[in-house]
Amino acid sequence: DTGVSQDPRHKITKRGQNVTFRCDPISEHNRLYWYRQTLGQGPEFLTYFQNEAQLEKSRLLSDRFSAERPKGSFSTLEIQRTEQGDSAMYLCASSLGRGGADNEQFFGPGTRLTVL
Amino acid sequence: KQEVTQIPAALSVPEGENLVLNCSFTDSAIYNLQWFRQDPGKGLTSLLLIQSSQREQTSGRLNASLDKSSGRSTLYIAASQPGDSATYLCAAFSYNTDKLIFGTGTRLQVFP
Repeated sequence: DTGVSQDPRHKITKRGQNVTFRCDPISEHNRLYWYRQTLGQGPEFLTYFQNEAQLEKSRLLSDRFSAERPKGSFSTLEIQRTEQGDSAMYLCASSLGRGGADNEQFFGPGTRLTVL
Repeated sequence: KQEVTQIPAALSVPEGENLVLNCSFTDSAIYNLQWFRQDPGKGLTSLLLIQSSQREQTSGRLNASLDKSSGRSTLYIAASQPGDSATYLCAAFSYNTDKLIFGTGTRLQVFP
């Protein structure tokens, strides 16, 4: 399978715990995006990377959230001191990011987080 | 600030009908527009991408059009099938941002 993969697919945690999600983009894709989606809504942008550089962060990304892409390949998204409002589907996407049709984004299956 | 709206929010049709899903966006300075399909509890599957210089794209029974001047895109599904039942999302990629801005989707049900 050469698509975008995410791990875990589901995570249930108690309020106050830390969680970490992983995303493996399509090989050779330079851009990697994180989005969050709540029930009945479209995905909302959280942050994105161009290779290993984090170029933009949404105001949705409070200081409890941190994302990394250390070698320009896979990425991790960590949420510290989780709150019930963090319950959502976390989606990862990647693209070549070289303009035109290369900006087409391909999404992974998502990680569904439930905070009890 | 780019805002994307999709109408209708939900649609239920009998199998075999041709149907049109609408997407509108407020900032015409878009780089491209992408249509996705999402099954319940799943990730997004890219259906079609229309670049700003293009007017339409076709894939099988799907045809997407783009009119930047009016801020509209439509997704046309021919001869709908029960397997087409899903939520369809459109998203705009603007020149002044490097991210997709999504609508809230159209939830489609095609019944036999």
